[in-house]
Amino acid sequence: AQSVAQPEDQVNVAEGNPLTVKCTYSVSGNPYLFWYVQYPNRGLQFLLKYITGDNLVKGSYGFEAEFNKSQTSFHLKKPSALVSDSALYFCAVMDSGNTPLVFGKGTRLSVIA
Amino acid sequence: DSGVTQTPKHLITATGQRVTLRCSPRSGDLSVYWYQQSLDQGLQFLIHYYNGEERAKGNILERFSAQQFPDLHSELNLSSLELGDSALYFCASSVADRSSGNTIYFGEGSWLTVV
Repeated sequence: AQSVAQPEDQVNVAEGNPLTVKCTYSVSGNPYLFWYVQYPNRGLQFLLKYITGDNLVKGSYGFEAEFNKSQTSFHLKKPSALVSDSALYFCAVMDSGNTPLVFGKGTRLSVIA
Repeated sequence: DSGVTQTPKHLITATGQRVTLRCSPRSGDLSVYWYQQSLDQGLQFLIHYYNGEERAKGNILERFSAQQFPDLHSELNLSSLELGDSALYFCASSVADRSSGNTIYFGEGSWLTVV
């Protein structure tokens, strides 16, 4: 069965600094990887996904993620953090079979002005 | 706005009661998924329907049931409610049936509080 690990419950970063939110995964087949963001009292918003092709994926709001097959990682990055990026971030994975999207526990990002 | 609509947004009910959560998928999407988000369990997959047929079941309790109607809207029925059922219930939709990398879009959720 597939699984996702987000090793950090909380990430704090100063505004303007680069940010990284870590994610590692485990699947039996080829992974399809996703990042979602949840703002307070809101639903999950899709940020980006990796299906195949270029290992560096660009998404919404200036976020990007790098797929690393050897390290089974899909870390979320942004070159310059904004206070408005403060939210709960979820990494999720499904494999190429008929499996549901499985989420990590989430990482709370706090960007400090 | 993802295009997935969920009602009600908030619901408070007593233990032992039954509630129905409703979901309208994005236009053109045939798959509907239900997830439960709680503080201790995180985001848990409950069930997946495609074009009216059940496709996959996750950690869904026997007290819970769901269906997808011919117009593709879905309902999640929660019965004999317990305090531990208090959670945020998400509906999501996608175009495809099987996992093919299609993006799954989530609604804003229905907050259920059982008192």
